[in-house]
Amino acid sequence: QVQLVQSGAEVKKPGASVRVSCKASGYAFTSHYMHWGRQAPGQGLEWMGMINPNGGRPIYAQKFQGRVTVTRDTSTSTVYMEMSSLRSEDTAVYYCARGFSGYDYRDPFDYWGQGTLVTVSS
Amino acid sequence: SYVLTQPPSVSVAPGKTARITCGGNDIGTKSVHWYQQKPGQAPVVVIYYNSDRPSGIPERFSGSNSGNTATLTISRVEAGDEADYYCHVWDSSSDQVVFGGGAKLTVL
Repeated sequence: QVQLVQSGAEVKKPGASVRVSCKASGYAFTSHYMHWGRQAPGQGLEWMGMINPNGGRPIYAQKFQGRVTVTRDTSTSTVYMEMSSLRSEDTAVYYCARGFSGYDYRDPFDYWGQGTLVTVSS
Repeated sequence: SYVLTQPPSVSVAPGKTARITCGGNDIGTKSVHWYQQKPGQAPVVVIYYNSDRPSGIPERFSGSNSGNTATLTISRVEAGDEADYYCHVWDSSSDQVVFGGGAKLTVL
């Protein structure tokens, strides 16, 4: 069965960086886009960016350009999201989510990771 | 950038029909997906490509999309349908995924 398993909760100080991992299993890793999004406490979903595990340049939300980097390791079927210059407003649950296919940006997200809480506090 | 507008809250009595809207400029020309999110859980897709329903989602869930409004309709609402619902599109003009702000469905 398809599974996306994310790394554990993180506590970071303002100005630090964080890297969250998302290990995929149960399907052909390079056949589906992978997206990252987040949800601040009590707030809605916010899309951050995506990567084609089969290669190609990641696409980022304009808000996160220059501060977020999404990478993938095909040998371990893992996608990473790294965010730098953290501030308190970045406190949120971060999710990875699989795109329905690996060729259509319009696709829905059919599987989600369990979420990773990142807390930014001095 | 493209904006999707949802009502913050929708209330409905059990057994009645709930309609949750998602407004956007010419959204009828886009593909809309809907997610259900219960507290402490990851979202789950309940309608994709405007009106398709994933396996395992009850037939009570349906979707439509035309003009400037997409609608998620939940018939014969049950207490277990109480959740936040988000719409999602891909905006090709900016190469971005856009989510609506979410609508909290309350079953009275």
